[in-house]
Amino acid sequence: DTAVSQTPKYLVTQMGNDKSIKCEQNLGHDTMYWYKQDSKKFLKIMFSYNNKELIINETVPNRFSPKSPDKAHLNLHINSLELGDSAVYFCASSQVYGIGELFFGEGSRLTVL
Amino acid sequence: KNEVEQSPQNLTAQEGEFITINCSYSVGISALHWLQQHPGGGIVSLFMLSSGKKKHGRLIATINIQEKHSSLHITASHPRDSAVYICAVKGAFGNEKLTFGTGTRLTIIP
Repeated sequence: DTAVSQTPKYLVTQMGNDKSIKCEQNLGHDTMYWYKQDSKKFLKIMFSYNNKELIINETVPNRFSPKSPDKAHLNLHINSLELGDSAVYFCASSQVYGIGELFFGEGSRLTVL
Repeated sequence: KNEVEQSPQNLTAQEGEFITINCSYSVGISALHWLQQHPGGGIVSLFMLSSGKKKHGRLIATINIQEKHSSLHITASHPRDSAVYICAVKGAFGNEKLTFGTGTRLTIIP
């Protein structure tokens, strides 16, 4: 049973489309995160949710909207996709916000054509 | 200049060699993470530390808070250790987001 699972693993789409990436954790953790890894492999925090509430919202365009229906799920919806959105998006969780080991999903590679 | 700098950027070594990867940071932190990203892309947390030293198997991580520096050591390196190793620092209280280094690509040759 995968601790943090993301779907889809690969996503290829046209500019201007809207797409979602889903993330689920079965660890009972309170906190979930979305990270973006660009073409240079640099990781950057996008969002952090603690018990379904937004804690961190980095300077991410408002085309990106996270949704946490419950503390086990944190989905990422992206509107009006742009070429620069192409990246690998990682979901992660930790037991408590800001404390403890991070558990990462396998990543979702988004390619915008 | 990144807040978190790693060196070297790339490292190639023979199987069995002792490996050291360095991480320096310029901000106050409450903790530091070492992560491993496999060639397939998955990321695994290796260590989280805020002082001293931790050991897990052949991996050892140390941190010197005063010098704002951490090292990751691998003893008796093996080709399966080939991966990108990423240092990430957690800000001090009130700024708990993680800031990542650019990673060190390690290749161990049999």
